[in-house]
Amino acid sequence: QSVLTQPPSVSGAPGQRVTLSCTGSSSNIGAGYDVHWYQQLPGTAPRLLIYANINRPSGVPDRFSASKSGTSASLAITGLQAEDEADYYCQSYDSSLSGSVFGGGTTLTVL
Amino acid sequence: QITLKESGPTLVKPTQTLTLTCTFSGFSLSTSGVGVGWIRQPPGKALEWLALMYWDDDKRYSPSLKSRLSLTKVTSKNQVVLTMTNMDPVDTATYYCAHSSRSLTGKGRYFDLWGRGTLVTVSS
Repeated sequence: QSVLTQPPSVSGAPGQRVTLSCTGSSSNIGAGYDVHWYQQLPGTAPRLLIYANINRPSGVPDRFSASKSGTSASLAITGLQAEDEADYYCQSYDSSLSGSVFGGGTTLTVL
Repeated sequence: QITLKESGPTLVKPTQTLTLTCTFSGFSLSTSGVGVGWIRQPPGKALEWLALMYWDDDKRYSPSLKSRLSLTKVTSKNQVVLTMTNMDPVDTATYYCAHSSRSLTGKGRYFDLWGRGTLVTVSS
């Protein structure tokens, strides 16, 4: 059971917009700790997609955006492409655990 | 250009101690704010944070694994070594090391560059 809760799967057709959620609690996201998102393509290492809630590293398309509110965060992908098919993980810091925590991951399927 | 690479045994027996080395380049672990973290991923499962070595030699461990984990920094070789004792088949996973940066707001850290990972299987 992950400290951050993500839906196991999400799907969308090419060109559509999808939203992935990440729900935490008062000891992590709700305490004001930043949320970060990672994309993991099949058979590869995770790649940083979003850092500090809303920021994209260089090289990440602006089709990817994110937000945070209260004890939750979300990642939005617009103009869905086949290459976006991957696992997506959120990550934050938890003060009760004194360390980083990851969500259980969401598998995005492009129909 | 920052790179990280994990190395170590691919197969360990139950009860043995696992030693993994993260060799990095392109940054210094002496620079303020920099960290090197270890994260693992069992086959088909989610990422799990294990430990973090800070630039100032501070160390943090996952509470659930703290009694089994140890971090060592070898500054002269640009390496961070993770040791995990009493290995069990449930510890079978791909182990990643990653460069860690302090978040912009100062509230937390993230892993901005990852090694390719190394698969460790625990079996007799």
